[in-house]
Amino acid sequence: SQELEQSPQSLIVQEGKNLTINCTSSKTLYGLYWYKQKYGEGLIFLMMLQKGGEEKSHEKITAKLDEKKQQSSLHITASQPSHAGIYLCGADNQAGTALIFGKGTTLSVSS
Amino acid sequence: GAVVSQHPSWVICKSGTSVKIECRSLDFQATTMFWYRQFPKQSLMLMATSNEGSKATYEQGVEKDKFLINHASLTLSTLTVTSAHPEDSSFYICSAIGLSGDTKGGYTFGSGTRLTVV
Repeated sequence: SQELEQSPQSLIVQEGKNLTINCTSSKTLYGLYWYKQKYGEGLIFLMMLQKGGEEKSHEKITAKLDEKKQQSSLHITASQPSHAGIYLCGADNQAGTALIFGKGTTLSVSS
Repeated sequence: GAVVSQHPSWVICKSGTSVKIECRSLDFQATTMFWYRQFPKQSLMLMATSNEGSKATYEQGVEKDKFLINHASLTLSTLTVTSAHPEDSSFYICSAIGLSGDTKGGYTFGSGTRLTVV
């Protein structure tokens, strides 16, 4: 079965600093999804990547998917306290199947 | 955009009772619903997949007689935790996908239900 490894498990950065979260799949994936969550709340969709080598940006967040479609990174530029939360990567291995999630990365931003 | 309404957002029940959680797709037809469980400080674990009008497919280790899933219509799926025990206390969240193009990013998540069994 597919497994997703996320790193780091937790991260504390100073406001204004850049950071990167990585997500590695044990198998070639169909689609890679990034979500943000405040613990005990619903998921906020950030981005979906589907093509090898694809890169998407929204505000200060950029996500990339490698050519082999087994690794993705989420990069936050000039972090702010509002970026704090749990970042989850999820992947499916074919259309219409459930997303399997990594263990998440807890981000804290100190001001 | 696509919205899934999940109710209740939190519930406290006594040990031995049953609790029903509902997920409704408000503006699209949810052909498939997924139910997840999340323990504190952990990620989402897939419990089951349900397609409208069919029996749910449960993941290994999930008791189908304890976690009853019904997906009787294209807009409603329910998860019933039967004879709840304190170890069933958790955060439950549903996700739905619909026909191509109906849902942003493919998957729409409910806001989750925090179940506490006392």
